[in-house]
Amino acid sequence: AQSVTQPDIHITVSEGASLELRCNYSYGATPYLFWYVQSPGQGLQLLLKYFSGDTLVQGIKGFEAEFKRSQSSFNLRKPSVHWSDAAEYFCAVGEGGSYIPTFGRGTSLIVHP
Amino acid sequence: DTAVSQTPKYLVTQMGNDKSIKCEQNLGHDTMYWYKQDSKKFLKIMFSYNNKELIINETVPNRFSPKSPDKAHLNLHINSLELGDSAVYFCASSTRGLSEQFFGPGTRLTVL
Repeated sequence: AQSVTQPDIHITVSEGASLELRCNYSYGATPYLFWYVQSPGQGLQLLLKYFSGDTLVQGIKGFEAEFKRSQSSFNLRKPSVHWSDAAEYFCAVGEGGSYIPTFGRGTSLIVHP
Repeated sequence: DTAVSQTPKYLVTQMGNDKSIKCEQNLGHDTMYWYKQDSKKFLKIMFSYNNKELIINETVPNRFSPKSPDKAHLNLHINSLELGDSAVYFCASSTRGLSEQFFGPGTRLTVL
């Protein structure tokens, strides 16, 4: 069965600093990978996804993520964080033919002015 | 033109009561889901419907009963509410198979 690990429960960065949120997955074949963002009091919104092809994927709001098969990772990055990026970030993994992705426990991003 | 909507947004009720949460999507998706998010933000899938048929039914107390009157609606009825049912419930939808999910704004249920 697939699983997802987000090792950081909280990450604190200063506004304007770069950001990397870690995600490791456990799955035998090539997984379907997602990053979602949940702003306070809101539902989840897709930032980006990887199904195949170029391992560096671009998403909305200036985010990108890189699929590294050798490390079973799909880390999320942003070069310069804005205060509005403060939110909960979820990594999810799924397998083809399944309807349901497995979500990580989430990383809470705190942005200091 | 909200994509996935849920009502109500907040629900406060007493233990033992029965309550329902409604969900509608206008995206034309085939598949809809209910998730429960606990106080630690952990997301747990509860149910999934595809074209009005139940396809996923995780280990959830049978006090929870989903109902899909048509492809665009998936409601959640909860009987005999317990304190542990307090959580945020999210509805989501997607096209058939594993793909991007579109989430509703959530319903915060508080059981007193």
